[in-house]
Amino acid sequence: EAGVVQSPRYKIIEKKQPVAFWCNPISGHNTLYWYRQNLGQGPELLIRYENEEAVDDSQLPKDRFSAERLKGVDSTLKIQPAELGDSAVYLCASSKILRHVFFGPGTRLTVL
Amino acid sequence: DQQVKQNSPSLSVQEGRISILNCDYTNSMFDYFLWYKKYPAEGPTFLISISSIKDKNEDGRFTVFLNKSAKHLSLHIVPSQPGDSAVYFCAASGDNNNDMRFGAGTRLTVKP
Repeated sequence: EAGVVQSPRYKIIEKKQPVAFWCNPISGHNTLYWYRQNLGQGPELLIRYENEEAVDDSQLPKDRFSAERLKGVDSTLKIQPAELGDSAVYLCASSKILRHVFFGPGTRLTVL
Repeated sequence: DQQVKQNSPSLSVQEGRISILNCDYTNSMFDYFLWYKKYPAEGPTFLISISSIKDKNEDGRFTVFLNKSAKHLSLHIVPSQPGDSAVYFCAASGDNNNDMRFGAGTRLTVKP
């Protein structure tokens, strides 16, 4: 069974530029998450989808972050414009059974 | 507001000895606890979990202990192996939902 796929794995951009991350969850997993992991910290939830519906986006900075999950499968997380403080690892995860969450390898974003 | 805390950023043990990683939580509504293991450049992978109705769960070399009155859990690895060297994250969730809170992680180094 293929795991959660994320691309790109690494991204370096200058501040004020836009950036987008893509995630393909494990087949059959209806729940999809985006987490952000700052250096030396644990992952923090940004948004959770149940199928196509964003059921928890309370931690998503909506002034510059947006996400979508069209057709309830793949998802894209966008930052526009990026700030220096957005440098982090962005993790996508999915689950089929409650609390059995599988993580992708993450995208390491560096904002210069 | 850090609801899950791992106060030891790092731990070093000798191969064959026991590794004990600790985690404290503050939210009494948490009823499910998990440990994730993370290698460099990879996403966290699920290791072991425990429900609040239990005080111990064992899986091979890994055992998780839960002390609800102290709001404390620990992960024991016996015997430790060099391949166990990784960052270990404690996570907790409650109210039958998928929103997990993570600790900052403990970097375990097992020396041959």
